[in-house]
Amino acid sequence: DTAVSQTPKYLVTQMGNDKSIKCEQNLGHDTMYWYKQDSKKFLKIMFSYNNKELIINETVPNRFSPKSPDKAHLNLHINSLELGDSAVYFCASSTPTGIGELFFGEGSRLTVL
Amino acid sequence: LAKTTQPISMDSYEGQEVNITCSHNNIATNDYITWYQQFPSQGPRFIIQGYKTKVTNEVASLFIPADRKSSTLSLPRVSLSDTAVYYCLVGDIYGNNRLAFGKGNQVVVIP
Repeated sequence: DTAVSQTPKYLVTQMGNDKSIKCEQNLGHDTMYWYKQDSKKFLKIMFSYNNKELIINETVPNRFSPKSPDKAHLNLHINSLELGDSAVYFCASSTPTGIGELFFGEGSRLTVL
Repeated sequence: LAKTTQPISMDSYEGQEVNITCSHNNIATNDYITWYQQFPSQGPRFIIQGYKTKVTNEVASLFIPADRKSSTLSLPRVSLSDTAVYYCLVGDIYGNNRLAFGKGNQVVVIP
């Protein structure tokens, strides 16, 4: 069983569209994250949720809206897509504190045309 | 958050030991050092974590000098499948060790 799963794996869309990426984890973790990785491999955190509550929002445009219906899911909705949104988006989960490791999904490659 | 600096890329021959360095001059007393490995088209995965001196597991060793301002990830006898991007992070037990991945170090293993 995949511990952290994301869908879709690939997403190609036009500028101005709205799209969503879904993430689910079956590890029983309380904390989930969204990261963005650009073409230069720079991996940057976007959001962190602990038990459905937003705890980190790293100056991400308002067009990005995470939603956590329960602690096992953290979805990312993006409005009015721009060319610069093209990237690979990774979902991850972990225990909320301590020095435990992050578990990442396989990534969702978003291409905005 | 402590900031880390890594070389952008490095090459190594198959079968050699590879040492990957990371600088973290502003590391705080409560910070741990964690390394992740990312293969193409996959998410990063945890390799090793340490606080001081030396930590070893089945995959790698982590060397941390007494001042903790740097660390070295050592991969013994690399194979082609070790070609990946390696990220060094520092952060405390309150979850701040998950935030600043940066650009990582692209390691290419050559036959």
